[in-house]
Amino acid sequence: SQQGEEDPQALSIQEGENATMNCSYKTSINNLQWYRQNSGRGLVHLILIRSNEREKHSGRLRVTLDTSKKSSSLLITASRAADTASYFCATDRSQGGSEKLVFGKGTKLTVNP
Amino acid sequence: DTGVSQDPRHKITKRGQNVTFRCDPISEHNRLYWYRQTLGQGPEFLTYFQNEAQLEKSRLLSDRFSAERPKGSFSTLEIQRTEQGDSAMYLCASSPKGGDYGYTFGSGTRLTVV
Repeated sequence: SQQGEEDPQALSIQEGENATMNCSYKTSINNLQWYRQNSGRGLVHLILIRSNEREKHSGRLRVTLDTSKKSSSLLITASRAADTASYFCATDRSQGGSEKLVFGKGTKLTVNP
Repeated sequence: DTGVSQDPRHKITKRGQNVTFRCDPISEHNRLYWYRQTLGQGPEFLTYFQNEAQLEKSRLLSDRFSAERPKGSFSTLEIQRTEQGDSAMYLCASSPKGGDYGYTFGSGTRLTVV
């Protein structure tokens, strides 16, 4: 079953603008991860945030986690056309005894040059 | 090691035929996962290995599906008596044991059942 739900389903912005994607989930987690997928390809791991962390940065990426609201956001600053892809959040519920990532349906981001 | 390799990249088969896919994970990774992804959806978990042991299987994995990981290295996913509903991208991923690590995914095998 899909644990994470990304919002919005699709997002179209101009190059240079910031893109914000949100993810909500239902159960307690060990960590939450964001992945990128270019059309027809495999997924690429972007960033991992642990349940005891609130914010994490990696280059132009900023991820926040609010465990009380069971939600996360991914911010891409100064977007580029090359950022055009689908972005998925995935939750790791290892502490719940199930050692696998559960993915959401994704946000399709289009960055127009 | 250049990452996770999957073979073939594309497979077209007739309904009712059997197909087998192969995944070669990163050699230091002892965890290996199979996911299935249909158009416009996120990856759905199929099964997971730690070394050669298959530790978890999804209810999505009907008795027509079987996965193996002999000797804890490469893995195969076989689908018997394929159906049109099996058409999807089959993704393999690997990760190290312990701690918080992201997965490294292969490029996937796209299966089309005609």
